[in-house]
Amino acid sequence: GAGVSQSPRYKVTKRGQDVALRCDPISGHVSLYWYRQALGQGPEFLTYFNYEAQQDKSGLPNDRFSAERPEGSISTLTIQRTEQRDSAMYRCASSLFGGFSSGNTIYFGEGSWLTVV
Amino acid sequence: DQQVKQNSPSLSVQEGRISILNCDYTNSMFDYFLWYKKYPAEGPTFLISISSIKDKNEDGRFTVFLNKSAKHLSLHIVPSQPGDSAVYFCAATGRSSNTGKLIFGQGTTLQVKP
Repeated sequence: GAGVSQSPRYKVTKRGQDVALRCDPISGHVSLYWYRQALGQGPEFLTYFNYEAQQDKSGLPNDRFSAERPEGSISTLTIQRTEQRDSAMYRCASSLFGGFSSGNTIYFGEGSWLTVV
Repeated sequence: DQQVKQNSPSLSVQEGRISILNCDYTNSMFDYFLWYKKYPAEGPTFLISISSIKDKNEDGRFTVFLNKSAKHLSLHIVPSQPGDSAVYFCAATGRSSNTGKLIFGQGTTLQVKP
């Protein structure tokens, strides 16, 4: 697609349930990122992939959170045993290659709103 | 510990005037800084960036200034237009750390009045 696509756009789940959020990056983009954004805050880094390799998962809050990108394209962020504090906007982003430079823009998706009730 | 801070939650300016958005950081390892703009119901979009080897970068109406000694950067928009009304996030990273991590500020909501 033309941009980073995320699904579902909105998810309401009961506390204790598992959720899976999907990200389809821009075609050909090597690097994929997951961020979380609470209301009134900036995005907070969760994890980062180059191809299928998870390069950095230091931002994942605890072991209930995991992410994968098995074929180096689509990625899934999974939250197990959800808690109310997990409620937030989860944003995926992608870039042509890793690293930051003026020639390598990170493109964000519209995000998945997760509400845990 | 908020490593990147945008202390002004909101800013209102008149169309045609200058908008100045400020950002402070604490980590001296940061060497690359970016500004993102976000409209409601959309993801943040990249606006402009600056490397720590520079103190100014300009792109059309947008200029970013970096003061490394003060650990401060600012985004100037001249002239401001109503379409610039959005939330602006500054972000920072240490490129030498070879990580995909951007540290974002809390954002400043800019309103440009016609």
